[in-house]
Amino acid sequence: GESVGLHLPTLSVQEGDNSIINCAYSNSASDYFIWYKQESGKGPQFIIDIRSNMDKRQGQRVTVLLNKTVKHLSLQIAATQPGDSAVYFCAENIAGGYNKLIFGAGTRLAVHP
Amino acid sequence: GAVVSQHPSWVICKSGTSVKIECRSLDFQATTMFWYRQFPKQSLMLMATSNEGSKATYEQGVEKDKFLINHASLTLSTLTVTSAHPEDSSFYICSALSGDSGNTIYFGEGSWLTVV
Repeated sequence: GESVGLHLPTLSVQEGDNSIINCAYSNSASDYFIWYKQESGKGPQFIIDIRSNMDKRQGQRVTVLLNKTVKHLSLQIAATQPGDSAVYFCAENIAGGYNKLIFGAGTRLAVHP
Repeated sequence: GAVVSQHPSWVICKSGTSVKIECRSLDFQATTMFWYRQFPKQSLMLMATSNEGSKATYEQGVEKDKFLINHASLTLSTLTVTSAHPEDSSFYICSALSGDSGNTIYFGEGSWLTVV
């Protein structure tokens, strides 16, 4: 289940289960969204992206859903593995914002065997 | 794939001194680079947009005289933390915009700064 830690909320799942990580973005003018994975002490790693003219995009074991009505983004990870344990951030690009990305608060995913 | 390199990976400096962090795009040209700061257990906060050949654009609340950004070439941007204080200790991450790959953004591996 979810719990709110000191700064980052944590989602704990069992290995093999599906994970759903949610993100509320801030600007209705944002037209491009990216999910990143960040492991401890490393830079963000691209997972999947989606443009505002789409509401769903699938990758390998990951799916991103976009609901522009409520400014909500989700990342679904199928058959979660221990290697998926990390902090996940959504980032939004504001149209006309010169490609700068604004990051959400992040969620820590903890996968238990 | 495209690579963005940061140097140093980690640095310790004394209070009051200045420290420079480099961000290089190794196999593409980047007219635009971005600098972020990340405190432990927090998200990445955009500090500034670095534009090759022109002044950087700073986000609200970021002191441009304290965080000097130079983007003198299409493959290098530098961030200099001047008169560093312990509260400047953080993880600094850069990203670079590659126009060759449809405006894809690539991130560096970050630089740990500890001010003692």
